[in-house]
Amino acid sequence: ETGVTQSPTHLIKTRGQQVTLRCSSQSGHNTVSWYQQALGQGPQFIFQYYREEENGRGNFPPRFSGLQFPNYSSELNVNALELDDSALYLCASSLVGTSGNTIYFGEGSWLTVV
Amino acid sequence: RKEVEQDPGPFNVPEGATVAFNCTYSNSASQSFFWYRQDCRKEPKLLMSVYSSGNEDGRFTAQLNRASQYISLLIRDSKLSDSATYLCVVNRGTGGGNKLTFGTGTQLKVEL
Repeated sequence: ETGVTQSPTHLIKTRGQQVTLRCSSQSGHNTVSWYQQALGQGPQFIFQYYREEENGRGNFPPRFSGLQFPNYSSELNVNALELDDSALYLCASSLVGTSGNTIYFGEGSWLTVV
Repeated sequence: RKEVEQDPGPFNVPEGATVAFNCTYSNSASQSFFWYRQDCRKEPKLLMSVYSSGNEDGRFTAQLNRASQYISLLIRDSKLSDSATYLCVVNRGTGGGNKLTFGTGTQLKVEL
């Protein structure tokens, strides 16, 4: 619907493991941001990528890392998973130079850490 | 203190009621403001942008008071389909504007 697709939609990992989440942005959008939404909370900004480089980061430790590829798709990697990393991970794409009302969210990836 | 604060609710209202949500933000350098709607276990979706002059979209009216750093959303003639969580959102970024700060959300339940 929004043109932003995320995978996988659901996954279960064990504490200490690593996870990679993927996002394909809407066609023409060159900026991708990742958000973490814990149960009962609003989404929290993790980081943003523009032209394959990190362009802003929220209050998340270095074990949260990302990549953006030439086609503007993106990955979120989380190392040494902790139980508190269980959350909905949202990818949002936008076009630099536009206002916030052209931000589109994917349906998210539900991560459960056990 | 959280950057964006909202009453979490839940607000339980009868169908047809008028309901108002409020939100305050702490960063006076914030650039733009929005209300998003989030249905259970779904992604947030933009409901409307918020301007100092106030803006209306059908049954929904949003208002921004920059001096008080206060944002509001008014829903008139509530429908069952309005039941959702409403997120107050502030954009601190410029240009690409993708550095959104969300409130915790206010849950609305519209009942028969």
